[in-house]
Formats: sequence, C-alpha cells, structure tokens
Amino acid sequence: EPEVTQTPSHQVTQMGQEVILRCVPISNHLYFYWYRQILGQKVEFLVSFYNNEISEKSEIFDDQFSVERPDGSNFTLKIRSTKLEDSAMYFCASSPRGRLSYEQYFGPGTRLTVT
Amino acid sequence: KNEVEQSPQNLTAQEGEFITINCSYSVGISALHWLQQHPGGGIVSLFMLSSGKKKHGRLIATINIQEKHSSLHITASHPRDSAVYICAVRVDKLIFGTGTRLQVFP
Repeated sequence: EPEVTQTPSHQVTQMGQEVILRCVPISNHLYFYWYRQILGQKVEFLVSFYNNEISEKSEIFDDQFSVERPDGSNFTLKIRSTKLEDSAMYFCASSPRGRLSYEQYFGPGTRLTVT
Repeated sequence: KNEVEQSPQNLTAQEGEFITINCSYSVGISALHWLQQHPGGGIVSLFMLSSGKKKHGRLIATINIQEKHSSLHITASHPRDSAVYICAVRVDKLIFGTGTRLQVFP
C-alpha cells in the first residue's frame, strides 16, 4: 500500500540553524500538508500546498517557515532560523483532493529537537 | 473555547471491553476524521465521516451533524488498541482535538 514517507526521523539542531524536513507524498496525490505537534499538546495545522503554491497557512506559519516542492516527488518544510519553541514532531500529509472531504494520509513524522 | 472537545481524556479498559470515545465540535464542518496515534508518534487515519456511520473491523464511527457530535467505538478491545485517539474536524483546514489516551490491559 502506498504511504507517505518522511526524513529524517529525528533531527537535532542548534538554535538559529536552518533545517529542512523532507516528505515524499503518495505519488498521485495533489494536496500536501504540514502539521506540528509540540510534546504533550495537540496536533496543529501549519500549511497546505496545491499546484505549487500555498493554499492555506496558519498563524504559526510565519516568515521563518517556507515550503517547496522542488521536484515531482519531494515536499519540504524549511525553518530558516530555528528557535527552542520549534522543537516538536512535524507531520507531513497528502490527499488526492483538498477542499472537498478527502482522507489525508500522514507520514510517520520527524522529531525536531532544537538545543 | 476549544473548537473540538474529546472525552474522556484518559481511558483504561480490560481486554474485551467495549470502548466509546466522544467528540463534540462547535464549528460547521465538511468532514470529521478519527485518527490513531501510537506511542512512537505516528498517525494513522482510521475514518473520515461526513454523515451516518462507518465500520472497519472492530472499529465503528458515528456522526450526528445536527448535534455536532461523533463517537468512536471499539468492540472487543485488545491491548494492541492502546494508543491516543484523535478527533479532527475539517473546516478549511483540519482542527484537532487533544486526543483520548486509551490503555487496554490484558
């Protein structure tokens, strides 16, 4: 069964460094998402992406964050200058459709630790 | 006020028991998702509902759009069902509940 993959599974970085989290969505999916879960808290929406542009973003997704689909398969989340509070689990998801009610498929997550 | 409320927050059960987890929401939605999060952190989508009821194996999910309420039922619970169960509603984005931590003991 096709699945969403994410790399790395765990990333440790120093405050102020740039990180890129990578996702490979399911190949025929058109909508892509990033979510964040700070330890002990609920999952939060960050951004959705369709047709090579951001379709929705939350107030969390400030200028420090960017997303890109650099080729036909990868979907990346970049954090330009990491802060301690960026430490969280980051989940990528994809779906075959977006605004209508279609299921999202989640990746296993990348645990980001900022020290 | 949270837009998505789940109850209970924590639930323990003996193997074989029937489990119910509830989700109430306050916004108009296009769909509701039930997700399972295992201790390692990974999230698996269990159901997506916009009306009525869905069943998959021992799992049943129901939704009442008028009452803005959904339930997830697990029949004949098993220790491998131990996980956090998350309700998420779809507005223009997914809004997540805080989850219900379920532990099933043998």
